[in-house]
Amino acid sequence: KNEVEQSPQNLTAQEGEFITINCSYSVGISALHWLQQHPGGGIVSLFMLSSGKKKHGRLIATINIQEKHSSLHITASHPRDSAVYICAPSGGGADGLTFGKGTHLIIQP
Amino acid sequence: GAGVSQSPRYKVAKRGQDVALRCDPISGHVSLFWYQQALGQGPEFLTYFQNEAQLDKSGLPSDRFFAERPEGSVSTLKIQRTQQEDSAVYLCASSLRPQGAKTYEQYFGPGTRLTVT
Repeated sequence: KNEVEQSPQNLTAQEGEFITINCSYSVGISALHWLQQHPGGGIVSLFMLSSGKKKHGRLIATINIQEKHSSLHITASHPRDSAVYICAPSGGGADGLTFGKGTHLIIQP
Repeated sequence: GAGVSQSPRYKVAKRGQDVALRCDPISGHVSLFWYQQALGQGPEFLTYFQNEAQLDKSGLPSDRFFAERPEGSVSTLKIQRTQQEDSAVYLCASSLRPQGAKTYEQYFGPGTRLTVT
């Protein structure tokens, strides 16, 4: 079974700060997903990546397949970025995604 | 276009009741997944369909849980004789490509919050 660790579990930052969320996993995978979940809301897919780096607006995701590690960065953070961010590898012998516990991010104005 | 929809959004059941949760995936999506998310936890895989075939049900926690997708589109997750530990958000996701394709993106529904009293 793929063991997925995210850090930090909770993060409170001031508006404008650069945010980094880390994810490590134990089993080789075909891709890694970064997801966003607002309280009481559904899950939105932010990125799916299998190598290198992807950028979408103020969000950047990177992955190092050899080291089994991925990071999600948010530049110029804003209160509307407050949400739970979940790392979820796919593949590695499992159907479906294997989810991390999530990082609770609060951006204060 | 329409995304993944789930109904009901909220369900309160008395312990011992049977419940049925519905998922309408995005039209044309081959793969359909059910996940269970307990309060404060990340989602956990329950079962996977490719079209109408249930290819993996290893995550179903007990034989009280049953899922079907008879025509390869809408899916129903049924829980018999509900217990308090079944209280969770049940998420459905669909994907255009079959499992096994190198990369695929999953689209999630809003979830059904089940509370068993």
